[in-house]
Amino acid sequence: QKEVEQNSGPLSVPEGAIASLNCTYSDRGSQSFFWYRQYSGKSPELIMFIYSNGDKEDGRFTAQLNKASQYVSLLIRDSQPSDSATYLCAVNAGNNRKLIWGLGTSLAVNP
Amino acid sequence: KAGVTQTPRYLIKTRGQQVTLSCSPISGHRSVSWYQQTPGQGLQFLFEYFSETQRNKGNFPGRFSGRQFSNSRSEMNVSTLELGDSALYLCASGLGLQLNEQFFGPGTRLTVL
Repeated sequence: QKEVEQNSGPLSVPEGAIASLNCTYSDRGSQSFFWYRQYSGKSPELIMFIYSNGDKEDGRFTAQLNKASQYVSLLIRDSQPSDSATYLCAVNAGNNRKLIWGLGTSLAVNP
Repeated sequence: KAGVTQTPRYLIKTRGQQVTLSCSPISGHRSVSWYQQTPGQGLQFLFEYFSETQRNKGNFPGRFSGRQFSNSRSEMNVSTLELGDSALYLCASGLGLQLNEQFFGPGTRLTVL
């Protein structure tokens, strides 16, 4: 079992809808959680990070963390075609600086 | 401010050869982390350098090595290349040691034939 799991997708949503991306992790000691976006042929870019249980909002993006369920999600409101990319979840256990990555979820926003 | 640069961008090697990849971080950044990205395994952490010292190392064989120079530029070396080493190698630059401050370079695409 991979330490960080994501549905590979593709997740397809219409323009203007809410896209919901999910990530589960196996290490209960994990302390910090990151969402990266990677366009095809490009490198990852950080869009959100969250450390505490609950929601964290930044513009159209909301990260949700539930440590008891070992679950972190990313919601994208008012999805745009430019949001079409692979979204990578990364987790850090805190005892070192290594990030453990999921394989990513491919999101397609259809005009 | 210039971003992270990686050279070369593309590389083709044959099995058994060795390769050196270079990463120049954003000016003023002192942390450089290296990752390997493949379709099957995703992103995997190789190692991290801060102020010329290796701070963390991933679970890769000893054929993978790296170093950081006093100007924060970093190199990674892979000796005795194997077909499975074909991947996108990414470096990430950071001002300090905060994981939420990493900026990735464009990567080096290595193909081993």
